[in-house]
Amino acid sequence: QSALTQPASVSGSPGQSITISCTGTSSDVGGYNYVSWYQQHPGKAPKLMIYDVSNRPSGVSNRFSGSKSGNTASLTISGLQAEDEADYYCSSYTSSSTLNWVFGGGTKLTVL
Amino acid sequence: QVQLVESGGGVVQPGGSLRLSCAASGFTFSSYGMHWVRQAPGKGLEWVAFIRYDGSNKYYADSVKGRFTISRDNSKNTLYLQMNSLRAEDTAVYYCAKDARMDYFDYWGQGTLVTVSS
Repeated sequence: QSALTQPASVSGSPGQSITISCTGTSSDVGGYNYVSWYQQHPGKAPKLMIYDVSNRPSGVSNRFSGSKSGNTASLTISGLQAEDEADYYCSSYTSSSTLNWVFGGGTKLTVL
Repeated sequence: QVQLVESGGGVVQPGGSLRLSCAASGFTFSSYGMHWVRQAPGKGLEWVAFIRYDGSNKYYADSVKGRFTISRDNSKNTLYLQMNSLRAEDTAVYYCAKDARMDYFDYWGQGTLVTVSS
């Protein structure tokens, strides 16, 4: 059981927008603006897509955006493209005594 | 450009030991904290350990505390993970990742597979 809760799967057609949620607690997502999102294609290493809730690293498409409300963060991908099909993971710093960084369980994005 | 290259994975029996290495290049290694993150087959990501830029502080997930040791050699631009008393549930791809302000993981290596099996 992961510390952050994500839907197991989402899907959308090319050109559409989708949103992936990431729910935590006041000890992690709700307590810090340290939420990040990672894209992982099969057999590949994760790639940073969003950091500090809503910032995009250089080179990441502006079709990717992030937001947060309370204990839930969200990743939105607009103008879906075939290459966006991948697993997506959220992560947050946490003040939990047992962990310092936590991940969500991951969401499989299927582009129909 | 930033490059992180893990090595040292393999098959080990339960109770055995293994040492992973991560060779870093393309950035000033001695100025950044580093993480190990693992991914069991078909599962999600799990943070394992973190070490500050100078090795002064180390943090571990409960699942590996007392069995794994993270360390670094800044003169060799290399990060290590010593894994002892290995269990079947430690089977995973182990990634090293560069830390950004103890906030997020901005670069990842390609991973090395550790299989714990008799």
